[in-house]
Amino acid sequence: GDSVTQMEGPVTLSEEAFLTINCTYTATGYPSLFWYVQYPGEGLQLLLKATKADDKGSNKGFEATYRKETTSFHLEKGSVQVSDSAVYFCALGGGGGADGLTFGKGTHLIIQP
Amino acid sequence: GAVVSQHPSRVICKSGTSVKIECRSLDFQATTMFWYRQFPKKSLMLMATSNEGSKATYEQGVEKDKFLINHASLTLSTLTVTSAHPEDSSFYICSARDLSEQFFGPGTRLTVL
Repeated sequence: GDSVTQMEGPVTLSEEAFLTINCTYTATGYPSLFWYVQYPGEGLQLLLKATKADDKGSNKGFEATYRKETTSFHLEKGSVQVSDSAVYFCALGGGGGADGLTFGKGTHLIIQP
Repeated sequence: GAVVSQHPSRVICKSGTSVKIECRSLDFQATTMFWYRQFPKKSLMLMATSNEGSKATYEQGVEKDKFLINHASLTLSTLTVTSAHPEDSSFYICSARDLSEQFFGPGTRLTVL
């Protein structure tokens, strides 16, 4: 079946550091790929998505490129802020997001001032 | 973005009792909602897809008689954990689909004593 593997945290960085959170997947067909973010006490929020190979999703300074050849969707940000501290989930799903999603375990990101 | 609520946010119950969790889409109508379960330090796992006016579709390994899902209106889906046992203790999260995007509720922490 489908699966998502992402680096486990916590990941601790200083403010303004470069961020990479690795995500790889196995799937049948051609799923869409997502990054969700969960701030303390809140529900998951869609951060960005890509629906086909070589697409780049971007939002709030975060980027991820759908790499079919390496089955990866790594999340990057050039300069993190304390407010980026949260749990980040990589996920995949069919129907462009209309179907149920398969999630990774989540990566807890801590940004220190 | 669209708002999804869950009630209750936390519930503690005795073994053998049943617990109902509500998921509401507050500012949009959702013909499809999803129920996920999250174990500590593990990914969210899709339990079932709830469709308004029809029977839910359960993922493999999820007991449909144990986890009853009702989606009686376009803004409300309920998950009832019947005859709950300590192994049912978990974090239950719902999402509601609006077009091709899922919006997540904040989750319900269930503890079965």
